[in-house]
Amino acid sequence: DTTVKQNPRYKLARVGKPVNLICSQTMNHDTMYWYQKKPNQAPKLLLFYYDKILNREADTFEKFQSSRPNNSFCSLYIGSAGLEYSAMYLCASSRGGLGYEQYFGPGTRLTVL
Amino acid sequence: GDSVTQTEGLVTLTKGLPVMLNCTYQTTYSPFLFWYVQHLNEAPKLLLKSSTDNKRTEHQGFYATLHKSSSSFHLQKSSVQLSDSALYFCALSERNMGYKLTFGTGTSLLVDP
Repeated sequence: DTTVKQNPRYKLARVGKPVNLICSQTMNHDTMYWYQKKPNQAPKLLLFYYDKILNREADTFEKFQSSRPNNSFCSLYIGSAGLEYSAMYLCASSRGGLGYEQYFGPGTRLTVL
Repeated sequence: GDSVTQTEGLVTLTKGLPVMLNCTYQTTYSPFLFWYVQHLNEAPKLLLKSSTDNKRTEHQGFYATLHKSSSSFHLQKSSVQLSDSALYFCALSERNMGYKLTFGTGTSLLVDP
């Protein structure tokens, strides 16, 4: 099974409220990624876990948190949502190393009002 | 840093015609290049990948050749079908950036009957 699952598929949040998105995979991949996708823009990497080590991109360092309680699950946490967080959030997983395919989930569409 | 450029935002074609979607990239390291396809309401899926200079790679009727001399990895198909209507992303990965994917903005391909 090469499915990456994301919950929820749609999320409505209020400005200033927290948001928690969930991703799971059963392929025993050591690396899990979170990307943000806005209309007419390229998917942008926010952070990734290699095993238990979290790597966050420099320009989004303070905006997003994540946890990976076990190999299969990874969350993306926004402490205080702003309008600019409205986007599609894509989770992906892969084996670590150059050239390995990343398997994507269907995404969570977050709308902040 | 690394970058990927896809010059066409939308390509509209009649079924049966050939198509080429452009992809150029910038990196100072030896890259892996990928094409991902995303159909409506589905997860992005890998279509093609390559790291070998001047070697054509093919899958599901699509093909691409990595040309390091011109930093290009254009996607082609000789005869498009209605089912090819989707969003196509070009992306690169290289060792120095921790194997993350750097995406282009994507090209929407719309095939008319």
